[in-house]
Amino acid sequence: AQTVTQSQPEMSVQEAETVTLSCTYDTSESDYYLFWYKQPPSRQMILVIRQEAYKQQNATENRFSVNFQKAAKSFSLKISDSQLGDAAMYFCAYRRGNTDKLIFGTGTRLQVFP
Amino acid sequence: DTAVSQTPKYLVTQMGNDKSIKCEQNLGHDTMYWYKQDSKKFLKIMFSYNNKELIINETVPNRFSPKSPDKAHLNLHINSLELGDSAVYFCASSQRLAGAGETQYFGPGTRLLVL
Repeated sequence: AQTVTQSQPEMSVQEAETVTLSCTYDTSESDYYLFWYKQPPSRQMILVIRQEAYKQQNATENRFSVNFQKAAKSFSLKISDSQLGDAAMYFCAYRRGNTDKLIFGTGTRLQVFP
Repeated sequence: DTAVSQTPKYLVTQMGNDKSIKCEQNLGHDTMYWYKQDSKKFLKIMFSYNNKELIINETVPNRFSPKSPDKAHLNLHINSLELGDSAVYFCASSQRLAGAGETQYFGPGTRLLVL
Protein backbone atom coordinates (compact mmCIF):
# COMPACT_ATOMS: atom_id res chain seq x y z
CA ALA A 1 0.00 0.00 0.00
CA GLN A 2 1.16 3.49 -0.74
CA THR A 3 2.07 5.73 2.17
CA VAL A 4 3.09 9.35 2.52
CA THR A 5 5.29 10.50 5.39
CA GLN A 6 5.90 14.02 6.61
CA SER A 7 8.45 13.77 9.37
CA GLN A 8 8.27 17.40 10.51
CA PRO A 9 5.11 18.10 12.55
CA GLU A 10 6.13 21.75 12.90
CA MET A 11 8.54 24.12 11.23
CA SER A 12 9.22 27.80 11.60
CA VAL A 13 10.89 30.39 9.42
CA GLN A 14 11.67 34.07 9.58
CA GLU A 15 9.94 36.33 7.10
CA ALA A 16 11.90 36.65 3.82
CA GLU A 17 13.92 33.51 4.58
CA THR A 18 13.72 30.13 2.88
CA VAL A 19 12.28 26.97 4.39
CA THR A 20 12.08 23.39 3.14
CA LEU A 21 9.34 20.96 4.11
CA SER A 22 10.07 17.25 3.76
CA CYS A 23 7.92 14.52 2.30
CA THR A 24 8.72 10.93 1.48
CA TYR A 25 6.44 8.35 -0.04
CA ASP A 26 6.41 4.65 -0.60
CA THR A 27 5.14 3.13 -3.82
CA SER A 28 5.99 0.42 -6.31
CA GLU A 29 4.20 2.28 -9.10
CA SER A 30 5.97 4.16 -11.87
CA ASP A 31 3.04 6.33 -12.91
CA TYR A 32 1.93 8.70 -10.17
CA TYR A 33 1.46 12.32 -9.20
CA LEU A 34 2.57 14.28 -6.16
CA PHE A 35 1.00 17.38 -4.70
CA TRP A 36 1.50 19.95 -1.99
CA TYR A 37 -1.63 21.48 -0.48
CA LYS A 38 -1.76 24.39 1.93
CA GLN A 39 -4.40 24.67 4.65
CA PRO A 40 -4.46 28.10 6.35
CA PRO A 41 -6.51 28.74 9.49
CA SER A 42 -9.53 29.32 7.28
CA ARG A 43 -9.44 25.51 6.66
CA GLN A 44 -9.56 25.90 2.89
CA MET A 45 -7.35 23.33 1.12
CA ILE A 46 -5.37 25.15 -1.54
CA LEU A 47 -3.24 23.48 -4.17
CA VAL A 48 0.31 24.82 -4.02
CA ILE A 49 2.14 22.73 -6.56
CA ARG A 50 1.94 19.46 -8.45
CA GLN A 51 4.55 17.12 -9.94
CA GLU A 52 4.13 14.33 -12.47
CA ALA A 53 6.44 11.40 -11.73
CA TYR A 54 7.41 11.03 -15.38
CA LYS A 55 8.79 14.56 -15.48
CA GLN A 56 12.38 14.94 -14.38
CA GLN A 57 12.17 18.70 -14.12
CA ASN A 58 11.18 20.01 -10.71
CA ALA A 59 7.90 21.92 -10.64
CA THR A 60 7.96 25.61 -9.73
CA GLU A 61 5.20 28.04 -8.91
CA ASN A 62 6.50 31.51 -8.12
CA ARG A 63 8.14 31.30 -4.66
CA PHE A 64 7.30 27.61 -4.31
CA SER A 65 9.44 24.87 -5.80
CA VAL A 66 9.93 21.19 -5.22
CA ASN A 67 12.94 18.94 -5.04
CA PHE A 68 11.69 15.71 -6.58
CA GLN A 69 14.06 12.79 -6.06
CA LYS A 70 12.31 9.84 -7.67
CA ALA A 71 14.86 7.19 -6.74
CA ALA A 72 14.85 8.30 -3.12
CA LYS A 73 11.03 8.73 -3.19
CA SER A 74 11.39 12.20 -1.79
CA PHE A 75 9.30 15.26 -2.62
CA SER A 76 10.28 18.30 -0.57
CA LEU A 77 8.73 21.75 -0.86
CA LYS A 78 10.89 24.84 -0.78
CA ILE A 79 9.33 28.18 0.04
CA SER A 80 11.54 31.15 -0.81
CA ASP A 81 11.14 34.68 0.52
CA SER A 82 8.64 33.46 3.12
CA GLN A 83 5.70 35.71 3.86
CA LEU A 84 3.41 35.91 6.86
CA GLY A 85 0.59 34.60 4.68
CA ASP A 86 2.51 31.38 4.13
CA ALA A 87 1.76 30.32 7.70
CA ALA A 88 -0.45 27.24 7.40
CA MET A 89 -0.57 23.46 7.54
CA TYR A 90 1.10 21.94 4.50
CA PHE A 91 0.07 18.53 3.27
CA CYS A 92 1.96 16.33 0.86
CA ALA A 93 -0.24 14.01 -1.20
CA TYR A 94 0.22 11.12 -3.62
CA ARG A 95 -2.03 9.79 -6.35
CA ARG A 96 -1.42 6.69 -8.42
CA GLY A 97 -1.68 7.45 -12.12
CA ASN A 98 -4.86 5.59 -13.00
CA THR A 99 -6.84 6.28 -9.86
CA ASP A 100 -8.64 9.23 -8.29
CA LYS A 101 -7.59 8.47 -4.72
CA LEU A 102 -5.36 11.04 -3.02
CA ILE A 103 -3.29 9.78 -0.11
CA PHE A 104 -2.23 12.50 2.30
CA GLY A 105 0.64 12.81 4.73
CA THR A 106 0.03 13.93 8.30
CA GLY A 107 0.91 17.54 7.57
CA THR A 108 3.53 20.07 8.68
CA ARG A 109 2.51 23.20 10.52
CA LEU A 110 4.56 26.15 9.27
CA GLN A 111 4.93 29.26 11.39
CA VAL A 112 6.32 32.44 9.89
CA PHE A 113 7.86 35.00 12.23
CA PRO A 114 8.23 38.70 11.36
CA ASP B 1 -17.31 32.97 -7.47
CA THR B 2 -16.71 29.90 -5.33
CA ALA B 3 -15.58 26.92 -7.39
CA VAL B 4 -16.47 24.21 -4.86
CA SER B 5 -18.98 25.19 -2.21
CA GLN B 6 -20.32 23.34 0.80
CA THR B 7 -23.24 23.97 3.11
CA PRO B 8 -23.37 24.32 5.98
CA LYS B 9 -19.94 25.49 7.16
CA TYR B 10 -20.69 24.49 10.71
CA LEU B 11 -23.01 21.81 12.00
CA VAL B 12 -23.63 21.08 15.68
CA THR B 13 -25.98 18.24 16.48
CA GLN B 14 -26.88 15.59 19.02
CA MET B 15 -25.88 11.94 18.90
CA GLY B 16 -28.38 9.81 17.06
CA ASN B 17 -29.55 12.55 14.70
CA ASP B 18 -29.46 12.39 10.91
CA LYS B 19 -27.81 15.22 9.00
CA SER B 20 -26.79 16.13 5.46
CA ILE B 21 -23.97 18.17 4.00
CA LYS B 22 -24.33 19.56 0.50
CA CYS B 23 -21.62 20.13 -2.07
CA GLU B 24 -21.74 21.88 -5.40
CA GLN B 25 -19.03 22.61 -7.95
CA ASN B 26 -19.21 25.01 -10.87
CA LEU B 27 -15.96 23.94 -12.52
CA GLY B 28 -17.60 21.57 -14.97
CA HIS B 29 -15.76 18.64 -13.42
CA ASP B 30 -17.09 15.12 -13.72
CA THR B 31 -15.64 13.63 -10.53
CA MET B 32 -16.44 14.58 -6.96
CA TYR B 33 -15.15 13.39 -3.59
CA TRP B 34 -15.74 13.45 0.12
CA TYR B 35 -12.81 13.54 2.54
CA LYS B 36 -12.79 13.44 6.32
CA GLN B 37 -10.23 15.36 8.40
CA ASP B 38 -10.04 14.19 11.99
CA SER B 39 -9.00 16.11 15.09
CA LYS B 40 -5.33 15.37 14.36
CA LYS B 41 -5.70 16.94 10.94
CA PHE B 42 -5.37 13.61 9.14
CA LEU B 43 -7.20 13.70 5.80
CA LYS B 44 -8.66 10.55 4.33
CA ILE B 45 -10.84 9.91 1.32
CA MET B 46 -14.31 8.53 1.95
CA PHE B 47 -16.02 8.42 -1.45
CA SER B 48 -15.65 9.45 -5.04
CA TYR B 49 -18.23 9.71 -7.78
CA ASN B 50 -17.64 9.99 -11.49
CA ASN B 51 -20.61 11.12 -13.56
CA LYS B 52 -22.95 10.14 -10.73
CA GLU B 53 -21.40 6.68 -10.43
CA LEU B 54 -19.72 5.54 -7.20
CA ILE B 55 -16.05 4.86 -7.86
CA ILE B 56 -14.37 4.81 -4.44
CA ASN B 57 -15.90 3.68 -1.15
CA GLU B 58 -13.23 3.52 1.51
CA THR B 59 -14.68 1.18 4.15
CA VAL B 60 -16.92 3.90 5.47
CA PRO B 61 -19.78 2.82 7.80
CA ASN B 62 -23.15 2.30 6.13
CA ARG B 63 -24.47 5.25 8.13
CA PHE B 64 -22.72 7.45 5.57
CA SER B 65 -24.51 7.62 2.25
CA PRO B 66 -23.37 9.88 -0.57
CA LYS B 67 -25.88 10.95 -3.17
CA SER B 68 -25.12 12.54 -6.51
CA PRO B 69 -28.23 13.97 -8.22
CA ASP B 70 -26.08 15.28 -11.07
CA LYS B 71 -22.39 15.60 -11.75
CA ALA B 72 -22.22 19.09 -10.23
CA HIS B 73 -23.55 17.96 -6.85
CA LEU B 74 -22.47 15.39 -4.30
CA ASN B 75 -24.28 15.37 -0.98
CA LEU B 76 -23.34 13.42 2.13
CA HIS B 77 -26.04 12.07 4.38
CA ILE B 78 -25.13 10.69 7.79
CA ASN B 79 -27.56 8.60 9.83
CA SER B 80 -27.46 7.98 13.58
CA LEU B 81 -24.60 10.35 14.23
CA GLU B 82 -21.93 9.23 16.70
CA LEU B 83 -19.37 11.20 18.71
CA GLY B 84 -16.60 9.84 16.50
CA ASP B 85 -18.17 11.44 13.45
CA SER B 86 -17.04 14.84 14.71
CA ALA B 87 -14.57 16.08 12.11
CA VAL B 88 -14.18 18.46 9.20
CA TYR B 89 -15.65 17.09 5.98
CA PHE B 90 -14.25 18.30 2.69
CA CYS B 91 -15.81 18.03 -0.71
CA ALA B 92 -13.52 18.12 -3.75
CA SER B 93 -13.82 17.85 -7.51
CA SER B 94 -11.62 17.08 -10.49
CA GLN B 95 -11.85 16.35 -14.18
CA ARG B 96 -10.96 12.87 -15.32
CA LEU B 97 -8.68 12.53 -18.31
CA ALA B 98 -8.34 9.21 -20.06
CA GLY B 99 -9.33 7.32 -16.94
CA ALA B 100 -7.04 9.20 -14.58
CA GLY B 101 -8.13 11.99 -12.25
CA GLU B 102 -6.68 15.42 -12.55
CA THR B 103 -5.87 17.88 -9.77
CA GLN B 104 -8.51 17.94 -7.08
CA TYR B 105 -9.96 21.25 -5.92
CA PHE B 106 -11.38 21.43 -2.45
CA GLY B 107 -14.34 23.14 -0.89
CA PRO B 108 -14.06 25.18 2.33
CA GLY B 109 -14.98 22.27 4.58
CA THR B 110 -17.87 21.60 6.96
CA ARG B 111 -17.04 21.33 10.64
CA LEU B 112 -19.34 18.76 12.22
CA LEU B 113 -19.59 18.56 16.00
CA VAL B 114 -21.62 15.75 17.52
CA LEU B 115 -22.58 16.27 21.18
